Amino acid sequence: AQTVTQSQPEMSVQEAETVTLSCTYDTSESDYYLFWYKQPPSRQMILVIRQEAYKQQNATENRFSVNFQKAAKSFSLKISDSQLGDAAMYFCPTGANSKLTFGKGITLSVRP
Amino acid sequence: NAGVMQNPRHLVRRRGQEARLRCSPMKGHSHVYWYRQLPEEGLKFMVYLQKENIIDESGMPKERFSAEFPKEGPSILRIQQVVRGDSAAYFCASSTETGHTPGYTFGSGTRLTVV
Repeated sequence: AQTVTQSQPEMSVQEAETVTLSCTYDTSESDYYLFWYKQPPSRQMILVIRQEAYKQQNATENRFSVNFQKAAKSFSLKISDSQLGDAAMYFCPTGANSKLTFGKGITLSVRP
Repeated sequence: NAGVMQNPRHLVRRRGQEARLRCSPMKGHSHVYWYRQLPEEGLKFMVYLQKENIIDESGMPKERFSAEFPKEGPSILRIQQVVRGDSAAYFCASSTETGHTPGYTFGSGTRLTVV
């Protein structure tokens, strides 16, 4: 069984600044993946970044990077140089056996 | 190279009617997944299908819900005798791989409203 906790329902960041979104999880799987998905008002689910749990190196994708602490079961997302288009709901599902388990998400607003 | 296509985008049904939601996976993808998103919630897994096979339906309600992915044509999520609690956004995703959850491509979802 897997659970995902996103304890901060809302975050706000000034345009061009850096923000970190927190995520913790629990799983009984030994082989699993972690993701951050972005859901803007259009409702489209957009994959932001992906991390294989067996890899120690933190994934990065342009302005997006993760801090994966496997022992602590923590998987935070850092967004650098925030842009207005980053405003959205962010989810950090874990995946095993072809299923994703989602938390309730974090709403990120970007102030111009 | 179209992405995952879902239709309709919005669907309104009266209580007791049937809802049929369609999903065409990305070209070359043979695995389809359905998720439901209730208001203010994350997505919840419903069912995982391959062509003509249901692989995992552990998230499907026991009654009124069914899913298929025929050899030809889109995957269909069918909800019979809809009730107000079925109102939600239903997302379909597809992938080429299985077993290690590579990260799917999602469609834009169908918002079902039951009145």
